[in-house]
Amino acid sequence: GNSVTQMEGPVTLSEEAFLTINCTYTATGYPSLFWYVQYPGEGLQLLLKATKADDKGSNKGFEATYRKETTSFHLEKGSVQVSDSAVYFCARLSYEGSYIPTFGRGTSLIVHP
Amino acid sequence: NAGVTQTPKFQVLKTGQSMTLQCAQDMNHNSMYWYRQDPGMGLRLIYYSASEGTTDKGEVPNGYNVSRLNKREFSLRLESAAPSQTSVYFCASTREWGGPTDTQYFGPGTRLTVL
Repeated sequence: GNSVTQMEGPVTLSEEAFLTINCTYTATGYPSLFWYVQYPGEGLQLLLKATKADDKGSNKGFEATYRKETTSFHLEKGSVQVSDSAVYFCARLSYEGSYIPTFGRGTSLIVHP
Repeated sequence: NAGVTQTPKFQVLKTGQSMTLQCAQDMNHNSMYWYRQDPGMGLRLIYYSASEGTTDKGEVPNGYNVSRLNKREFSLRLESAAPSQTSVYFCASTREWGGPTDTQYFGPGTRLTVL
C-alpha cells in the first residue's frame, strides 16, 4: 500500500544550522507530495508541495525537491531559527481508487538559541 | 474567514460515556476529514466525507460514527468511549474531492482524554 517514511526525531539544532529532514514514499502511481508543519498547540498547515517529478516546492526558506529516481522529498533549510521549532509531516496524495492522503509519522525539530 | 473550527478544545470523559466532536469550515470546501494523532503514529484517518451526503471509513473507523450535517459541518461521535480513544482529534477539509494537488486545511484540534 501507500506509505511515507520520515526520519525519526527529535532533530535538535542550534540556530543558523542547516536542516535536512528525510522523507521517502512508495512509488505506486504518480503522487503529489507535501510538507506540513505543526506548531505547538496548533493544527497542521501546509508548508510546501510539489506535484510532479523534479518540481521544487519552497516557502519561508524551506525547500524540497520531488525526486522520482530515489522516491524522496527531503525537506531542507539553510539556516534555521528558534521559531522553526515544530513537528514536520511529509505526506503523499494520489489516486488509488480514491484520493486519500497518507502522512508520515512526523519529525520533531527543536532549535536552540 | 475562520477556516476550520473545532469544538471543544479539551474534553475529559469516563469510559462508556458518549460525546460528539464538532467541526465546521467556512471555505465552501466539498470534502472533510477526521484524523486522530497519537505519539509516534502520526496522523491516521478515521472517516472522510468526499461531498455533502456521503461518508466513508478511513484507516481506523472502529468505535466512531460521523455525520455530514451539511456542506459546512462534519461531526464525529464516540458512542461508548474507551481509554484507547485518548488522542488529539483533527478535522480537515479540502476544496474538492479528487484533486491531486489539493491542500488539506486543518482545525486546531480537540484533545480528548478517556479515563
